[in-house]
Amino acid sequence: GAVVSQHPSWVICKSGTSVKIECRSLDFQATTMFWYRQFPKQSLMLMATSNEGSKATYEQGVEKDKFLINHASLTLSTLTVTSAHPEDSSFYICSAGQGAIGYTFGSGTRLTVV
Amino acid sequence: GEDVEQSLFLSVREGDSSVINCTYTDSSSTYLYWYKQEPGAGLQLLTYIFSNMDMKQDQRLTVLLNKKDKHLSLRIADTQTGDSAIYFCAEIPDTGRRALTFGSGTRLQVQP
Repeated sequence: GAVVSQHPSWVICKSGTSVKIECRSLDFQATTMFWYRQFPKQSLMLMATSNEGSKATYEQGVEKDKFLINHASLTLSTLTVTSAHPEDSSFYICSAGQGAIGYTFGSGTRLTVV
Repeated sequence: GEDVEQSLFLSVREGDSSVINCTYTDSSSTYLYWYKQEPGAGLQLLTYIFSNMDMKQDQRLTVLLNKKDKHLSLRIADTQTGDSAIYFCAEIPDTGRRALTFGSGTRLQVQP
């Protein structure tokens, strides 16, 4: 079945530094990937849609300069949290799909900014 | 709007059936989904139902769809402790955006 690998699983960084999270589709090509953010005990909120070879589409209220998305190949999308602050601490999850029969999710990245 | 609503918490005893309910808003959604999330993990697709179906059964899971009331339910038969998790229903609204819209999630607690 479709597998999406997300790395790292967790990261702790200092305020002001940048963190890159990778999302890879291992056995299929994904022209589109999605990045979600999840706060504790809450649902997943879509941050942006990552499009291979073109600019990402960001949801309203998501700062594109803070959350940089690069989708340079058909199997890799990256999310970089720039100049991270404690309020950016969250669980970030990517997903990709091969059609309407559901999407496959990465295992998530827990970001803690100290 | 694109609200998908679920009750927040359900507690059952091991061996009982669990029923998790969901109300969605976009009647044009072609597929509706149920995902499971264990603590600190990503989401696992449990099952989905095509919008022209009323029911779908997959081993211990039964999905019921009432399109008139925009109501979706997931029944887990013979609930086990390993079923303890958060369950999300989701749809892809007909907004041109292909991402899933999730419900708030139902935390299922299975007591031994």
